[in-house]
Amino acid sequence: SQQGEEDPQALSIQEGENATMNCSYKTSINNLQWYRQNSGRGLVHLILIRSNEREKHSGRLRVTLDTSKKSSSLLITASRAADTASYFCALYNTNAGKSTFGDGTTLTVKP
Amino acid sequence: DTEVTQTPKHLVMGMTNKKSLKCEQHMGHRAMYWYKQKAKKPPELMFVYSYEKLSINESVPSRFSPECPNSSLLNLHLHALQPEDSALYLCASSRTDTDTQYFGPGTRLTVL
Repeated sequence: SQQGEEDPQALSIQEGENATMNCSYKTSINNLQWYRQNSGRGLVHLILIRSNEREKHSGRLRVTLDTSKKSSSLLITASRAADTASYFCALYNTNAGKSTFGDGTTLTVKP
Repeated sequence: DTEVTQTPKHLVMGMTNKKSLKCEQHMGHRAMYWYKQKAKKPPELMFVYSYEKLSINESVPSRFSPECPNSSLLNLHLHALQPEDSALYLCASSRTDTDTQYFGPGTRLTVL
């Protein structure tokens, strides 16, 4: 299955700490995207990283991709209570012609 | 305009009803998607339209019928649904089917 496996399933940290979540996958991908979803709402796109890229930054977000290990990580630095949400990786494979979402990590940032 | 809109926000329907969900985008995107999401689960792809043609149907039951009247609009027609079809239905669009997907806020569907 192309579906990503994310870990941890749940993460609880204090405001100001860093949060790291990981996504591993089994087949080759063309790009990998990270999304955030606040409870019961639509998904917000965070970062897209292509298979020939190793690291991307956006504000407090840092995404890495290791295609040899078939894994990606999302780092949120200096977390805020507003970062509390579910985070999903989505894997795009040209052969399949679609993206498949991982199971998600639920992040809770305590004020 | 950089958003995807969905109507209605909430929908309650009986198993014999016929209803439709609507999705609209004005970003010039040529790919549009329907996803179904159950509580505490990731979104599951249902349909993909690329250049107004259905390109992917993930073996969705025929009680769900998608329609793409033009490049800005995507509908999902619902008929004879089951209570297990209750979920959040998300629409998304992207420039092409390989690009970043932008999601609408979803329609919360309850089937009684």
